[in-house]
Amino acid sequence: DQQVKQNSPSLSVQEGRISILNCDYTNSMFDYFLWYKKYPAEGPTFLISISSIKDKNEDGRFTVFLNKSAKHLSLHIVPSQPGDSAVYFCAASAKYNFNKFYFGSGTKLNVKP
Amino acid sequence: DAGVTQSPTHLIKTRGQQVTLRCSPKSGHDTVSWYQQALGQGPQFIFQYYEEEERQRGNFPDRFSGHQFPNYSSELNVNALLLGDSALYLCASSSFLIGRDRGYEQYFGPGTRLTVT
Repeated sequence: DQQVKQNSPSLSVQEGRISILNCDYTNSMFDYFLWYKKYPAEGPTFLISISSIKDKNEDGRFTVFLNKSAKHLSLHIVPSQPGDSAVYFCAASAKYNFNKFYFGSGTKLNVKP
Repeated sequence: DAGVTQSPTHLIKTRGQQVTLRCSPKSGHDTVSWYQQALGQGPQFIFQYYEEEERQRGNFPDRFSGHQFPNYSSELNVNALLLGDSALYLCASSSFLIGRDRGYEQYFGPGTRLTVT
């Protein structure tokens, strides 16, 4: 049962433009969300997180938006750079089990120069 | 700081065999979580160890077992290997007492690529 879904396996964006990666979840108990970036032959690295008490969190070029009513979150990267090309995973956890993270299947972002 | 290290990098086993994967957490971390990442999928939570005990477990059969040592390092053991166990196995370390608002404290290793033939 996939509780976190990333329905776009890939995304291609021109350098300098905005990249928008989407993530949906089904478990209403999820209240903490993270985005990870993964390069080939490396483990996922943390990008940004958001708690359900917020609807937006920003860190430099990266902004995560949370729509609790729609059970949807998105990661915006502005401006996109070629070095951002990687696989992006969203993950979620619930307050009752906060160290257990559920991951989506990932979106491969390609930023073209 | 070496970060999270895993060994071996790659491993090839035959169906029915047993395998042991190893993980050393980032300095200062006391909790180790193991994930299985099949091709084209996201990481799936296997289990988590803290204070040398399994604290949480995902939806994996008993063929998957683990251990944590007093120095916080951990092993993942898989018995009676199946072809479907072929995957990238990721270890993540964190500090159990760090609050969820600092979830970024979960650091991943580069993984062990297991191929079962």
